[in-house]
Amino acid sequence: AQSVTQLDSHVSVSEGTPVLLRCNYSSSYSPSLFWYVQHPNKGLQLLLKYTSAATLVKGINGFEAEFKKSETSFHLTKPSAHMSDAAEYFCVVTSGGGGKLIFGQGTELSVKP
Amino acid sequence: GAVVSQHPSWVICKSGTSVKIECRSLDFQATTMFWYRQFPKQSLMLMATSNEGSKATYEQGVEKDKFLINHASLTLSTLTVTSAHPEDSSFYICSANLDGRGGYTFGSGTRLTVV
Repeated sequence: AQSVTQLDSHVSVSEGTPVLLRCNYSSSYSPSLFWYVQHPNKGLQLLLKYTSAATLVKGINGFEAEFKKSETSFHLTKPSAHMSDAAEYFCVVTSGGGGKLIFGQGTELSVKP
Repeated sequence: GAVVSQHPSWVICKSGTSVKIECRSLDFQATTMFWYRQFPKQSLMLMATSNEGSKATYEQGVEKDKFLINHASLTLSTLTVTSAHPEDSSFYICSANLDGRGGYTFGSGTRLTVV
C-alpha cells in the first residue's frame, strides 16, 4: 500500500524568505511523486514531478524538490517566497499502474509582507 | 499543453434534484478520468475511476447509484449527483491521465451547493 504524509498543515513565511514544505511517503516499490498547488476554489496545478530520473527535480515558479529514498522524503523548497505563492500545496504519490493518485493532507502556505 | 475543461464551475441546486458535471479533454484523448471530492480545508478524496466505454470503478464507501459516471467518448466524462442533499455540497474535481506514465491534468473544479 502507498501513503503520503505532509508533516505540516500550515506553514507561514515572510516574503523573500525560504519555503520548506515537508512530505514523507510510503511505497512498496518505486513511486512517482508529485507536488501540486491549489489556489482557493481552483483546480490543481502541477509544480513538479519525480519519476525515477534525477533525484533533484526543478519545477515551475522557482520550486524544487529532492527525492531521498533513504529518508522516504520528497520535500518542496523555494529560495524566496512571493506573495503569490500563498496557496494550498499537495504532495501526491501514484498507486501503481492503475493510475490512482494518493493525496497528502495538504499544507496551507501563508506569505506575510 | 493538455487541458481538461470542467463545468459548470459552480452550481446551486435544490435538495432532491440532480446535477450533472462535465469534464472534457480538449486536445487529447483520455481513456481514463478520475473524479475527486474535496471538503473545505481537506484533501482530495478519489471517488471513482472513469473508463471510456466501460463501467466506472468506485472507491469504497462511494454510492454508485448516487454518483453516476458516464464516459461515453474519449473526450468526455460526466458525473451526475442524483437526488442531491445538503451533505453532497462539496468541491468536485476531475482529472485525466495523460500518458500512462504518471502525467495528470486537472479540471478547474465545480463548487456544488445544495440548498
